[in-house]
Amino acid sequence: DTAVSQTPKYLVTQMGNDKSIKCEQNLGHDTMYWYKQDSKKFLKIMFSYNNKELIINETVPNRFSPKSPDKAHLNLHINSLELGDSAVYFCASSQGGTSDTQYFGPGTRLTVL
Amino acid sequence: GENVEQHPSTLSVQEGDSAVIKCTYSDSASNYFPWYKQELGKGPQLIIDIRSNVGEKKDQRIAVTLNKTAKHFSLHITETQPEDSAVYFCAASIGTSGSARQLTFGSGTQLTVLP
Repeated sequence: DTAVSQTPKYLVTQMGNDKSIKCEQNLGHDTMYWYKQDSKKFLKIMFSYNNKELIINETVPNRFSPKSPDKAHLNLHINSLELGDSAVYFCASSQGGTSDTQYFGPGTRLTVL
Repeated sequence: GENVEQHPSTLSVQEGDSAVIKCTYSDSASNYFPWYKQELGKGPQLIIDIRSNVGEKKDQRIAVTLNKTAKHFSLHITETQPEDSAVYFCAASIGTSGSARQLTFGSGTQLTVLP
C-alpha cells in the first residue's frame, strides 16, 4: 500500500532532452509538493499544488512545469535538461488544515549527461 | 525568507548513547518545526514535530525541545540503536499558504550509531 509513489525511480538522459516525472498519492490529501535534493542532500521546495491549483512556486527556472490533472496526481515536466538539473526529486503530500505532516515519495534520481 | 542552520553535519555515537542535533532559525514568525529521518535511497519520513506554543515534546526515545526566544530547537535521541543511523533534517515553517506548509530545511546531519 504505497502512500506516495513516483515513477520512474531512476532517469538518465542527455542534455537538452525533455522528461517527465510522475507522482501519485492514495492518501486522499488535498496538497502535493515537489522538492529537489541536490548532491549535498540539501532539500528545497519547488512547487505546491492544492486541489489542482498552484499555490507555492519558488524561484525555479521556467523549464520546470508542474501539472496536476487531479488532486491525487502531480507531475513534473522538465524541458531542455541541463547538467545542473541532476538531483533527486521528491514528491510529497499533506492533508492541510490541522495536519501539517508531509508524506514523501521514494524519490526520482535524475542524471543529466 | 526563513533560514535554518543545522549542526553538526556528521555525528557518530556508540550504541546506547544519546545523540543531540541542533537547529537555529531566523524568522521569529516560524511556528512549526518538524524533524525528518532519511534512510539511504528513501524519502524523508517525519519522526516528530513541535509547534511554537509547546516547549518540549517526547515520543519514546525521541524528544524535541524548542526555545523561541533564542530561536533554536533540538532533537534528542536516547538509547541509540544501529537502525537509528540515517540523515536527519530539521525544518521550520512560517505558516500556511492556503493549506500548504512551506518548509525550509536544515542541511542535514548524518548520524552513525556504532555497534
